[in-house]
Amino acid sequence: SYELTQSPSVSVSPGQTARITCSADGLSKKYAYWYQQKPGQAPVLVIYKDSERPSGIPERFSGSTSGTIVTLTISGVQAEDEADYYCQSADSSGTYGMFGGGTKLTVL
Amino acid sequence: QVQLVQSGAEVKKPGSSVKVSCKASGGTFNNYAISWVRQAPGQGLEWMGGIVPIFGSAKFTQKFQGRLTITADESRSTVYMELSSLGPEDTAVYYCARDWRRYCNGTSCHFYFLGMDVWGQGTTVLVSS
Repeated sequence: SYELTQSPSVSVSPGQTARITCSADGLSKKYAYWYQQKPGQAPVLVIYKDSERPSGIPERFSGSTSGTIVTLTISGVQAEDEADYYCQSADSSGTYGMFGGGTKLTVL
Repeated sequence: QVQLVQSGAEVKKPGSSVKVSCKASGGTFNNYAISWVRQAPGQGLEWMGGIVPIFGSAKFTQKFQGRLTITADESRSTVYMELSSLGPEDTAVYYCARDWRRYCNGTSCHFYFLGMDVWGQGTTVLVSS
């Protein structure tokens, strides 16, 4: 079966770079998408189509892909970036119904 | 700008059904699809299914086949999600979100997935006896 695997947690100090990875095992990888979710709030799309940034998302958020590993990079992390981050991709039918388990980013 | 507003919190008995609405405002209702995503307490995001209102056809993840119904009322710009045979494990926050977008070039139209870029505020469903 097709799964997206994320590490459960990442911790960084303010101003450092946070890298959150998502591993796509199994079937061929489609585009990846990243969402930020703060407690009690709906998710927010921060990266689409692997590396595109929606309007209004700070430039410090970037995405990249290498093989079956996709990475969300947050450069110059700020306290407000503390949140859960989820990757999303599609199965072989093109249904974008796969979410990773989420990574909790802690800003020390 | 498209906004999605969901119906209010629900408390349901095990074995019953719940119907949650998601009303869209702004934009053109037929130019995008709506998905439903749920999040159990302390857990991650789970895609349930989605619908393209212009086609009226819905797609579901296998887990919910047989007890999930997703419909759209174009006249009200509203999408509905109904989940039956509720159990305690269905206690969650249910979100609707816009995802597939339709772009037309002359008479040729195509849908593209650009991510879930607009979300409803979420509806808490508590299943308890």
